[in-house]
Amino acid sequence: RKEVEQDPGPFNVPEGATVAFNCTYSNSASQSFFWYRQDCRKEPKLLMSVYSSGNEDGRFTAQLNRASQYISLLIRDSKLSDSATYLCVVNEGGNQFYFGTGTSLTVIP
Amino acid sequence: GAGVSQSPSNKVTEKGKDVELRCDPISGHTALYWYRQRLGQGLEFLIYFQGNSAPDKSGLPSDRFSAERTGESVSTLTIQRTQQEDSAVYLCASSLTSSGHTDTQYFGPGTRLTVL
Repeated sequence: RKEVEQDPGPFNVPEGATVAFNCTYSNSASQSFFWYRQDCRKEPKLLMSVYSSGNEDGRFTAQLNRASQYISLLIRDSKLSDSATYLCVVNEGGNQFYFGTGTSLTVIP
Repeated sequence: GAGVSQSPSNKVTEKGKDVELRCDPISGHTALYWYRQRLGQGLEFLIYFQGNSAPDKSGLPSDRFSAERTGESVSTLTIQRTQQEDSAVYLCASSLTSSGHTDTQYFGPGTRLTVL
């Protein structure tokens, strides 16, 4: 079983729409959670960390559900520039970070 | 300030040849990671360096892969006797401190390796 699983999509949404991605993780002892963004043929960049109480950064909201072992990312008022692959990342407390395969988002004019 | 840099950006090699990939982390970052990303796949952890501690090599896929880092500076990833399955983007990331489970990783642009 993979440590981190994501729906690969693609998600194609119109500008202004709200879209949500989920990611599940297998190790209930996982400690840290992140969402990264990766543009085509570019390196991943941190979008936001995910805190237990949930957190928001502008149009982006991340939530953690430990009981069900998933994290979510909500994007409101989608912009064309939000088009990218969103990577879910989990750390179990050691040196390794487990990356999901990513969810592809395309925002359509 | 300068980010993580990697060289070369692209490398095409013939099966059986050795290749060496270089990573320059952000100055002052003690932790350094190497990942592999095959086309359409997620990032696969290869190796982790933290200061002068022994590296975590648990992700290296075979003994053809090795990596070195001198102190908190440059790291090199070496692949010997390359195989076509080694074709991928090799990404390097660095982070500031040793509390790896909370620190942001900053990625370099990667080296795209193609083995013919």
